[in-house]
Amino acid sequence: DTGVSQNPRHKITKRGQNVTFRCDPISEHNRLYWYRQTLGQGPEFLTYFQNEAQLEKSRLLSDRFSAERPKGSFSTLEIQRTEQGDSAMYLCASSLNSGQVTDTQYFGPGTRLTVL
Amino acid sequence: LAKTTQPISMDSYEGQEVNITCSHNNIATNDYITWYQQFPSQGPRFIIQGYKTKVTNEVASLFIPADRKSSTLSLPRVSLSDTAVYYCLVAFTGGGNKLTFGTGTQLKVEL
Repeated sequence: DTGVSQNPRHKITKRGQNVTFRCDPISEHNRLYWYRQTLGQGPEFLTYFQNEAQLEKSRLLSDRFSAERPKGSFSTLEIQRTEQGDSAMYLCASSLNSGQVTDTQYFGPGTRLTVL
Repeated sequence: LAKTTQPISMDSYEGQEVNITCSHNNIATNDYITWYQQFPSQGPRFIIQGYKTKVTNEVASLFIPADRKSSTLSLPRVSLSDTAVYYCLVAFTGGGNKLTFGTGTQLKVEL
């Protein structure tokens, strides 16, 4: 399967703990996106990378959130000092840079985070 | 204020055509409007993308008026397996190119 993969698929943690998620994009894709989705809502943009450069961050991405894409391939999203409000599905997507912000994005299955 | 609006839900029967509209103001003038389908516990899946006028592929058509303040996804002859949530995705101008998904439309197809 050469699609976008995300690990873990599910994460349960206690409030105050740190968590890290990983996303492996489609191999030839140079753009990588992170979104957060809560139940009944559409995905909310968090950040995106072009190669290893983080080009944009949403105001939703508080200081407790950090994302990296060190070699322009896989990416990690870390949440420090988790809060119950962080419970959500975290989605990763990748695309080939077409010169448009709205490239065709291919999504992974998501990581569902539950903060107790 | 950057905002997208879609009907919350729509009901249809197998074999009918379904049209879902997304309203969006102040979108970037040189970016695509894209539609995605999402099933429960899965990531969104690309359906169709366009810049203006009409685009058609093997599963849907997309209609975009000249002012680009809205777009309409048309699904011909829906089946039960088309029951899903449908989202538009646009990029708004100002303060960076913020990618924004629409509010989503739950389509329910019945026999």
